[in-house]
Amino acid sequence: DGGITQSPKYLFRKEGQNVTLSCEQNLNHDAMYWYRQDPGQGLRLIYYSQIVNDFQKGDIAEGYSVSREKKESFPLTVTSAQKNPTAFYLCASSIDLLVAGDADTQYFGPGTRLTVL
Amino acid sequence: AQTVTQSQPEMSVQEAETVTLSCTYDTSENNYYLFWYKQPPSRQMILVIRQEAYKQQNATENRFSVNFQKAAKSFSLKISDSQLGDTAMYFCAFMKPPWLIGGNKLTFGTGTQLKVEL
Repeated sequence: DGGITQSPKYLFRKEGQNVTLSCEQNLNHDAMYWYRQDPGQGLRLIYYSQIVNDFQKGDIAEGYSVSREKKESFPLTVTSAQKNPTAFYLCASSIDLLVAGDADTQYFGPGTRLTVL
Repeated sequence: AQTVTQSQPEMSVQEAETVTLSCTYDTSENNYYLFWYKQPPSRQMILVIRQEAYKQQNATENRFSVNFQKAAKSFSLKISDSQLGDTAMYFCAFMKPPWLIGGNKLTFGTGTQLKVEL
């Protein structure tokens, strides 16, 4: 089955610890994204990557880091510098081609719920 | 910067009835894309429908259709024959084309919680 997987589904972290959230896709999509969702708010973009070994900051990148060593994988690290990391994190991917059609629709993974204890 | 506004935090509808969810946006771009995503209690984000701004025809997907008013910057979602499984949070989202600076990034509204009742 083609799709986007995120793990773990639930993650607990002690204050001061770094944690890494996994996102893998087998859709052969070029672009991948990380969003954060807080209660009563829409999704906000953390980081995105349009090609391997390259990524850009989104609107709320402070306290987060990413890597894109493989096309299929885009892990997100929540560092101790992130002051309020408790949230629901969603990964997405899309075909990043300069063509019309379905090229720009983003498809989402099932999400990871991160709680800081 | 683009903004997306959903002014209805919650709505309810009787099963088999029709409901319309509102969305307005602000942009200076002429070409862009608009989306409606659905987030059921499982929290999986599911694409409902998309619209290209350069297309005058309103997009439809089975029971879901949009009313796209470009001049008014309005993009409402109509759900016909509502079903219990339509109960979810619905998000409106905006995106500039990938060939523009800042393109390929989604800007979301705050969502409308829709409850379909028996």
